[in-house]
Amino acid sequence: QKEVEQNSGPLSVPEGAIASLNCTYSDRGSQSFFWYRQYSGKSPELIMFIYSNGDKEDGRFTAQLNKASQYVSLLIRDSQPSDSATYLCAGSGGTSYGKLTFGQGTILTVHP
Amino acid sequence: GAVVSQHPSWVICKSGTSVKIECRSLDFQATTMFWYRQFPKQSLMLMATSNEGSKATYEQGVEKDKFLINHASLTLSTLTVTSAHPEDSSFYICSGVLAGRNEQFFGPGTRLTVL
Repeated sequence: QKEVEQNSGPLSVPEGAIASLNCTYSDRGSQSFFWYRQYSGKSPELIMFIYSNGDKEDGRFTAQLNKASQYVSLLIRDSQPSDSATYLCAGSGGTSYGKLTFGQGTILTVHP
Repeated sequence: GAVVSQHPSWVICKSGTSVKIECRSLDFQATTMFWYRQFPKQSLMLMATSNEGSKATYEQGVEKDKFLINHASLTLSTLTVTSAHPEDSSFYICSGVLAGRNEQFFGPGTRLTVL
């Protein structure tokens, strides 16, 4: 069983819509969760991290964490074509303290 | 702040040669650096954890004699792929951890192609 799982997609949304990306994890000891965006041929860039249950908003991005359900999500409001990329969810803590365990990534395409 | 650089950004080499990749934290001291490998259309796979002044810790299935890691200072870690073969062709990415923060800052990656 993979420790961090994502729907690989691809997820396609129209410009201006809300894109919803989901991630589940198996290690209940995981404490921190990160969302990265990766453009083709580039390294990941951090979008947001979340430690506490609930929502965390930063501009057009909202991360949600539900530790009871072992579920993390990222909402992108007013999606733009430039948001088209692979989104990686990663967990840290628990049995892999200090390390990041990545999901397989979700490909997002925002079409004009 | 928290910028990590890698050199070279890409390298092409012949099978059997060794390749060294450098990872530098430019504006912070990284007590821990991680090395990842990413094959096309796959996610990042952790290869090893590198701590300054001590031996690297390798993930299961990663050959420590083939992927030599040196972390001689708080701003530099190197990965040497020894006797590279075509199956080692991949995108190698390092990250640095700022002391006291549970956040990794990624380098831009090095694309290795072994002919």
